[in-house]
Amino acid sequence: KNEVEQSPQNLTAQEGEFITINCSYSVGISALHWLQQHPGGGIVSLFMLSSGKKKHGRLIATINIQEKHSSLHITASHPRDSAVYICAVLTSGSRLTFGEGTQLTVNP
Amino acid sequence: EPEVTQTPSHQVTQMGQEVILRCVPISNHLYFYWYRQILGQKVEFLVSFYNNEISEKSEIFDDQFSVERPDGSNFTLKIRSTKLEDSAMYFCASSSSWDTQYFGPGTRLTVL
Repeated sequence: KNEVEQSPQNLTAQEGEFITINCSYSVGISALHWLQQHPGGGIVSLFMLSSGKKKHGRLIATINIQEKHSSLHITASHPRDSAVYICAVLTSGSRLTFGEGTQLTVNP
Repeated sequence: EPEVTQTPSHQVTQMGQEVILRCVPISNHLYFYWYRQILGQKVEFLVSFYNNEISEKSEIFDDQFSVERPDGSNFTLKIRSTKLEDSAMYFCASSSSWDTQYFGPGTRLTVL
């Protein structure tokens, strides 16, 4: 079993829809990262969370440490949001353990 | 905005050859990382580096791999004798502390 599980694996939405991507983990962590990987392969860090909730523009990330679960929400989705969204957890010191990613496609 | 850069963008090599992948982290960052992503698979941690020494390394990072910060700006990953299974995208990242990491664009390594 993977230490970090994401759902769904693939998600197709219409422009304007509210999107939720989930991440569950089975190990103790010190922080959780949400990353975006563009079709060309480049990776951008979106959030780092250790508790509560963070918001940046149309993106919101939440984490529930007790339930070992995090969600990434995108409000008013747009085709440019199409990318792979990756959850990664900081398990010890400096090691990030990554989920498989969620492929998001937003259609106009 | 400062960014992490990596060279080359694509490296093709023959099995058994040595390769050096180069990264220039963001200038005031102190923590450096290498990750790899085999095509179609998830990103995997290789190694972290701080204060001129390895902080942590994964099981993947065996004796064939080494990292170095040869000067004040470059951070390199060396693979001594490449194998077919080393073919992957290699990402460098840097951070100012153990927090948000900034990733480079990656080097695609193809081993023939």
